[in-house]
Amino acid sequence: AQKVTQAQTEISVVEKEDVTLDCVYETRDTTYYLFWYKQPPSGELVFLIRRNSFDEQNEISGRYSWNFQKSTSSFNFTITASQVVDSAVYFCALSAMDTGRRALTFGSGTRLQVQP
Amino acid sequence: KAGVTQTPRYLIKTRGQQVTLSCSPISGHRSVSWYQQTPGQGLQFLFEYFSETQRNKGNFPGRFSGRQFSNSRSEMNVSTLELGDSALYLCASSPEGASSGNTIYFGEGSWLTVV
Repeated sequence: AQKVTQAQTEISVVEKEDVTLDCVYETRDTTYYLFWYKQPPSGELVFLIRRNSFDEQNEISGRYSWNFQKSTSSFNFTITASQVVDSAVYFCALSAMDTGRRALTFGSGTRLQVQP
Repeated sequence: KAGVTQTPRYLIKTRGQQVTLSCSPISGHRSVSWYQQTPGQGLQFLFEYFSETQRNKGNFPGRFSGRQFSNSRSEMNVSTLELGDSALYLCASSPEGASSGNTIYFGEGSWLTVV
């Protein structure tokens, strides 16, 4: 069975600090996709990034960067110079074959609080 | 391009009643999936519809059902509501669905409270 683990339940930082959100996944599938979503208090899940299992190239988008390492089954997310607007719950998700069907499995989320 | 639209945003129902939630996907997207989010269980997959057919189903009882129309709009229904059904119900759409590794875009959700 596939599984996504976000061990950090809640992180609190002060504005301008860098913060890394950890994500570890498990799957037997050889072709899979990893995602990060942000959920502000309004409830909507906002898509941040998608990675496929064949592309281990790290990515940077503004203050956001992602480190994908197949060797450790990790897909970590770093926010540089955090801002109050970054406060939200962040979910890592995995799309892979599970018992014959491809499903999107979410981690339990990491609540990030950025203090001014 | 309009995003995923869900209605109603908030609703309160009584135990034993039924509820219908509606979702309009992003234009051109043929796959619609539904998720339930609760503090205790997190985000759980309910079902996915593609071209009016249910393609995948999560581990939920038969009280949870859905359908998709020819214009890709989808509805989900929960019958005989229980207190534990109180949750945020999220609809998501994508061009071809999770099976193709597509990015899945979510709506703002419908907050259901069962009293």
